[in-house]
Amino acid sequence: QKEVEQDPGPLSVPEGAIVSLNCTYSNSAFQYFMWYRQYSRKGPELLMYTYSSGNKEDGRFTAQVDKSSKYISLFIRDSQPSDSATYLCASNAGGTSYGKLTFGQGTILTVHP
Amino acid sequence: GAVVSQHPSRVICKSGTSVKIECRSLDFQATTMFWYRQFPKKSLMLMATSNEGSKATYEQGVEKDKFLINHASLTLSTLTVTSAHPEDSSFYICSARPGQGGNEQFFGPGTRLTVL
Repeated sequence: QKEVEQDPGPLSVPEGAIVSLNCTYSNSAFQYFMWYRQYSRKGPELLMYTYSSGNKEDGRFTAQVDKSSKYISLFIRDSQPSDSATYLCASNAGGTSYGKLTFGQGTILTVHP
Repeated sequence: GAVVSQHPSRVICKSGTSVKIECRSLDFQATTMFWYRQFPKKSLMLMATSNEGSKATYEQGVEKDKFLINHASLTLSTLTVTSAHPEDSSFYICSARPGQGGNEQFFGPGTRLTVL
């Protein structure tokens, strides 16, 4: 079992839809959770960074972490065609892990006009 | 802020030659930099972790003599692919972690290596 599991999709939604992207993880030591967006042939771009459980909102994006169920989510409101990309969740344990991230497989999202 | 650059963005080389890829943090100091490899439609595979002024830590299965990593300063790390072969063709991405205790990583734009 991978430490971070993510449904690779692909996921296709119409413009304006609410998108829900999810990951589960198995390592109880994970404390920091990130969502990255990666366009084709580009490096990942950090979208959201959260510590421990709770919600964090930034514009159209909301990240949720539920440590009790080891579940992390990213919601995109009013999705746009420019949101079409691969979304990667990532976690690390902090401390002596030196920031080493464990990534999910990535979910390919397409938002069609 | 938090911009990471990579150079070159694309390189084509002949089998047997060595290729150096640079990774720079432009507006912050990075005590730790990471090198990843990514295959088409796959997630990132961590190759090694490099801390400024010390030897890199390689992930299991990554040949340290083939993928030489140097982290000479707080803003520059280099990856040298020695004696490259076609199977080394891939997308190489670096990331940098700010030194102020945060755990987020900021990624470079990647380098596409093609070995003929």
